[in-house]
Amino acid sequence: TQLLEQSPQFLSIQEGENLTVYCNSSSVFSSLQWYRQEPGEGPVLLVTVVTGGEVKKLKRLTFQFGDARKDSSLHITAAQPGDTGLYLCAATNTGNQFYFGTGTSLTVIP
Amino acid sequence: NAGVMQNPRHLVRRRGQEARLRCSPMKGHSHVYWYRQLPEEGLKFMVYLQKENIIDESGMPKERFSAEFPKEGPSILRIQQVVRGDSAAYFCASSPVLGATNEKLFFGSGTQLSVL
Repeated sequence: TQLLEQSPQFLSIQEGENLTVYCNSSSVFSSLQWYRQEPGEGPVLLVTVVTGGEVKKLKRLTFQFGDARKDSSLHITAAQPGDTGLYLCAATNTGNQFYFGTGTSLTVIP
Repeated sequence: NAGVMQNPRHLVRRRGQEARLRCSPMKGHSHVYWYRQLPEEGLKFMVYLQKENIIDESGMPKERFSAEFPKEGPSILRIQQVVRGDSAAYFCASSPVLGATNEKLFFGSGTQLSVL
């Protein structure tokens, strides 16, 4: 049973386009993180959100935590080839266990 | 100020051999997690350890797999009698104090295990 479902699984877009990826669950979490992973490397943390409804911006990336703390979205404005990678959401309860989503593989075509 | 160090980066084993994967957490981190990843997939939790203690091993197969995090030295993920289905990337992550509201994991570069 997958606790966190991400959609879409694969996404291929042209440079300059906007996109949104989603991370959904039926469970409530105390915090949620987004990571980006490049081929041959480990995931790197992008952001942590902890409050329902919270919105965080990181340059062209906007992260939102759902009001009920069950879901999250990542929006990228004017995507660039350097944004290519595997985007993973992860959530935790009480800090003991990190549950990872199924991942969204993004390809930005120059 | 080294990050999480994993070695080897690549490991090739024949069926039936043993694989030992090592992970040194970031300085000051006492929590270690091991994950397994297949191509284009997310991370599957295997085991969570603190120094000299296994906290949660619910994601680790009961047979052939074991993990330890001794008082001194790196954490070790050990796979005995490897089979082709064990081929995957194995990632280690470490974390500082848990229970805060900003939990986060710092990952190593992984060990790619190939079983021939």
